[in-house]
Amino acid sequence: AQTVTQSQPEMSVQEAETVTLSCTYDTSESNYYLFWYKQPPSRQMILVIRQEAYKQQNATENRFSVNFQKAAKSFSLKISDSQLGDTAMYFCAFSSYQGAQKLVFGQGTRLTINP
Amino acid sequence: EAGVVQSPRYKIIEKKQPVAFWCNPISGHNTLYWYLQNLGQGPELLIRYENEEAVDDSQLPKDRFSAERLKGVDSTLKIQPAELGDSAVYLCASSLDPLRGSGTGELFFGEGSRLTVL
Repeated sequence: AQTVTQSQPEMSVQEAETVTLSCTYDTSESNYYLFWYKQPPSRQMILVIRQEAYKQQNATENRFSVNFQKAAKSFSLKISDSQLGDTAMYFCAFSSYQGAQKLVFGQGTRLTINP
Repeated sequence: EAGVVQSPRYKIIEKKQPVAFWCNPISGHNTLYWYLQNLGQGPELLIRYENEEAVDDSQLPKDRFSAERLKGVDSTLKIQPAELGDSAVYLCASSLDPLRGSGTGELFFGEGSRLTVL
């Protein structure tokens, strides 16, 4: 069974700083998806960024980028020029590529951006 | 395009009472999920539907939980009777099947139904 581990329960940075959230996972599959989801307080979970395991290039979405290390089974999220609106719970998630689209989530990292 | 709609947003009940949650997925999404999210934790899958068929319900406590997805669209999750430990947020999500070439593996979530059992 796949597992996802986020080792940082909470993080706090100043506005405009860069922050990196860590995620490791365990799987025996070679093709899969990895995601970072954001869940603001009392609001719905939304996708931040997505990576397909067969792609070597790291995904980037504006201020959000990932460092995908397949051999190390590591998938960290970097947020550049952090903004107050980035304050949220961030979840790393794994999904099989074989049609069983069951997202397995990590425990989450609570990120606070301070003014 | 309308997102995943869930109701009610909040529900407070006494223990041993029944409760039901409703979910309307994004139009055209064949896969529907119910997740349980305890406070400060990541969501955990309860059940996954492909169209009207429950293809993964291994984590659903079947003694008190039930779910249905009639006609492969809307879904209802029921708890009867509720226990104190059922207090949590129940998330519904939907997706397209990536094997059909039209999906990306991404799940789209509703706002959740927060249950408090007293």
